Amino acid sequence: GAVVSQHPSWVICKSGTSVKIECRSLDFQATTMFWYRQFPKQSLMLMATSNEGSKATYEQGVEKDKFLINHASLTLSTLTVTSAHPEDSSFYICSASTGLADTDTQYFGPGTRLTVL
Amino acid sequence: GQNIDQPTEMTATEGAIVQINCTYQTSGFNGLFWYQQHAGEAPTFLSYNVLDGLEEKGRFSSFLSRSKGYSYLLLKELQMKDSASYLCAVLDSNYQLIWGAGTKLIIKP
Repeated sequence: GAVVSQHPSWVICKSGTSVKIECRSLDFQATTMFWYRQFPKQSLMLMATSNEGSKATYEQGVEKDKFLINHASLTLSTLTVTSAHPEDSSFYICSASTGLADTDTQYFGPGTRLTVL
Repeated sequence: GQNIDQPTEMTATEGAIVQINCTYQTSGFNGLFWYQQHAGEAPTFLSYNVLDGLEEKGRFSSFLSRSKGYSYLLLKELQMKDSASYLCAVLDSNYQLIWGAGTKLIIKP
């Protein structure tokens, strides 16, 4: 089946530093990747949608200069949290789809737990 | 390896009851989530079970048996708007989410 990986699994950083999270589709080409943020026992909040080779589309209220998304290839998207602060501590989850249709299945990654001290 | 199994697709009638099963084999267990996802939208949190038993929340109930590695989501009084994909996900010993492929639920009048 389709597998999506994320790296790192968890990261602890100091306030003011930047953190890069990778999302990879291991056995399929992901035209579209999604980045979500999740707080404990809450729904996933969509942060942005990225299509390979083009700029990401950010959801309202998500700062594009703070959460930099790059989708340079069909198997890799990266989310960089710049100048991280404690309020950015969260569980970040990516998903990937082939992007063939609006109802195309999303395959979810295992998540990256970010803690900002 | 780690594995989550749930049916690919189910069909039910409006007003009826449907049970969506999820079996899992993971390295450790720190809870099981059920999410609902409508096409083109983000998954919506439905339930979180970490102890054995049934938890009821309105028309939706979720059951967990840790010894059997088994959970189900029960939807009562089905409505057309319940047509969606239902995702089962387990938090493993490393607090990583292991996702099922999702069950597409089709509700017919």
